[in-house]
Amino acid sequence: EDQVTQSPEALRLQEGESSSLNCSYTVSGLRGLFWYRQDPGKGPEFLFTLYSAGEEKEKERLKATLTKKESFLHITAPKPEDSATYLCAVLPTDSWGKLQFGAGTQVVVTP
Amino acid sequence: DVKVTQSSRYLVKRTGEKVFLECVQDMDHENMFWYRQDPGLGLRLIYFSYDVKMKEKGDIPEGYSVSREKKERFSLILESASTNQTSMYLCASSSEGREEETQYFGPGTRLLVL
Repeated sequence: EDQVTQSPEALRLQEGESSSLNCSYTVSGLRGLFWYRQDPGKGPEFLFTLYSAGEEKEKERLKATLTKKESFLHITAPKPEDSATYLCAVLPTDSWGKLQFGAGTQVVVTP
Repeated sequence: DVKVTQSSRYLVKRTGEKVFLECVQDMDHENMFWYRQDPGLGLRLIYFSYDVKMKEKGDIPEGYSVSREKKERFSLILESASTNQTSMYLCASSSEGREEETQYFGPGTRLLVL
């Protein structure tokens, strides 16, 4: 059965304190892995798509990496505006476009 | 720019009422999805559609139906709302083919059933 596990569940950082979020997955075949950011009461906002092991993508203070079993979202020198819940989702090869979501990591960055 | 809109941000309905949630996308996407999101349960797929007039059940279709009469519009219907359908409802759309399968989400509708 396809499974996506995100850790930690919650993360509290000081402004400027870099850290990483983990998304481990178990699927028979991976078509893509997606990272989203979600602010309270809003819809998820797309950040990155990764397709192959070894692939990396960056956007401002965020960098996503992918291996055959997990993905990391690195937050470098975070600012309070990076506070959000970060969701990871996988698209299995046989899923007809259906994403499998993790439970998310809630990040709070304090000044 | 990518745009998915949902008809309401907040809705309050009574038990037994018929409820319509509408979603419109302006990206000419083939696929559209309805999710609900609850604390501790994450995002769960209710229904999806890969073409006009086509629909497929997701993981939790019970108590819901959908309609897709036009490519840009996907409606979620609660035939007889119940209190356990109080939730955040999210619509998403995506295209076909590698590099285009990213799902883009709308702002969400927070539904309260009394």
